[in-house]
Amino acid sequence: AQRVTQPEKLLSVFKGAPVELKCNYSYSGSPELFWYVQYSRQRLQLLLRHISRESIKGFTADLNKGETSFHLKKPFAQEEDSAMYYCALSGYGQNFVFGPGTRLSVLP
Amino acid sequence: DVKVTQSSRYLVKRTGEKVFLECVQDMDHENMFWYRQDPGLGLRLIYFSYDVKMKEKGDIPEGYSVSREKKERFSLILESASTNQTSMYLCASRGQGAREQYFGPGTRLTVT
Repeated sequence: AQRVTQPEKLLSVFKGAPVELKCNYSYSGSPELFWYVQYSRQRLQLLLRHISRESIKGFTADLNKGETSFHLKKPFAQEEDSAMYYCALSGYGQNFVFGPGTRLSVLP
Repeated sequence: DVKVTQSSRYLVKRTGEKVFLECVQDMDHENMFWYRQDPGLGLRLIYFSYDVKMKEKGDIPEGYSVSREKKERFSLILESASTNQTSMYLCASRGQGAREQYFGPGTRLTVT
């Protein structure tokens, strides 16, 4: 069965501190992994996808197939990073499965 | 730029009312989705459609139905609203063969 877990409901860090939002998944096959973000009063939007291997707004995420993880990292958190973050996976031709989300709060 | 719009940002309905949530996308996407978003539960798929007049149940279809008469429009229907359907409802669309989904702004429905 496909499943995405995000162990932290809320993560609070101080501005300038490193941040890591955890995501683990279960899937029998080769899924594509995504991070979506929802800023206050804005729509859910794609932050990054593992297949692109790019850095967006200073965030990176590496797919670790051995640990079935796709953690989101940023070396220096900014206040504007405060938002709700969802990890999601999709198998080829299949629908998305979203995790429960982690609310990141970056304190001044 | 993909645009997914939803008919209402906020909606308040009474228990037992029939409720229609409308979603329109302007990118000629084949696939459209309805999710509900609840704290601690993330996004859960209610229904999806991969073509006009086609629909498939998602993970939590009970109490809901959908309609897709035109490619750009996907409607979610609550036949008889109940208080446990109070939630944020998100519509999304995706092109054929693409992976990324594009989301609407959401409709916050309150059933009293």
